Amino acid sequence: DIVMTQTELSSPVTVGQPASISCRSTQSLEHTDGNTYLSWLHQRPGQPPRLLLYKISNRFSGVPDRFSGTGAGTEFTLKISSVEVEDVGVYYCMQTTRFPYTFGQGTKLEIK
Amino acid sequence: EAQLVETGGDLVQPGGSLRLSCAASGFSVSDTHMNWVRQVPEKGLEWVSIIFRSGGTYYAESVKGRFTIFRDSSKNTMYLQMNSLRRDDTALYYCTRGNGNDWGQGTLVTVSS
Repeated sequence: DIVMTQTELSSPVTVGQPASISCRSTQSLEHTDGNTYLSWLHQRPGQPPRLLLYKISNRFSGVPDRFSGTGAGTEFTLKISSVEVEDVGVYYCMQTTRFPYTFGQGTKLEIK
Repeated sequence: EAQLVETGGDLVQPGGSLRLSCAASGFSVSDTHMNWVRQVPEKGLEWVSIIFRSGGTYYAESVKGRFTIFRDSSKNTMYLQMNSLRRDDTALYYCTRGNGNDWGQGTLVTVSS
């Protein structure tokens, strides 16, 4: 199975400051079709996850442009250019390149 | 707008069975692939199963042989038949459309004696 490992945020983030979360996979997530099926999800307390980005860097419908994604192969990063209060919660990376689909352990974002 | 509503979660004894339903609106369950994903409260996410547009299916090793995913196009609903339930199947079960495009609110399955 592909193991997804996320970094922790070192401390609570101040509103208006940037934040960055990394995700590493144990195998390349490049599919034989040429796409890389790496997604980022956000889960607020008491809510289901919601999709932020798919195929590394594509924003899902309605996702603000302060969220961006980069990476390739086994290393990926989610960046929030200017954190807002509503961004609190847990962020997950998810790979859907190979079965079984797997998730990172989650990274909690807290506001200072 | 796509909407997913899961039902069927309950308290069940180890070894028991349960069927979860995921009623869809705003799209057809036959036109896309759909998944079940579970989450132990306050813990991470675990993928459980997928049904493709073609009807093909895949399962996590932990549920293979015990769970069955299927759909009823006439009811626009996807299901998860869960047999031989174990304590470690206890979780909030979500259905999702595509590769996590849309999620329901989840239905809680508790396996306990």
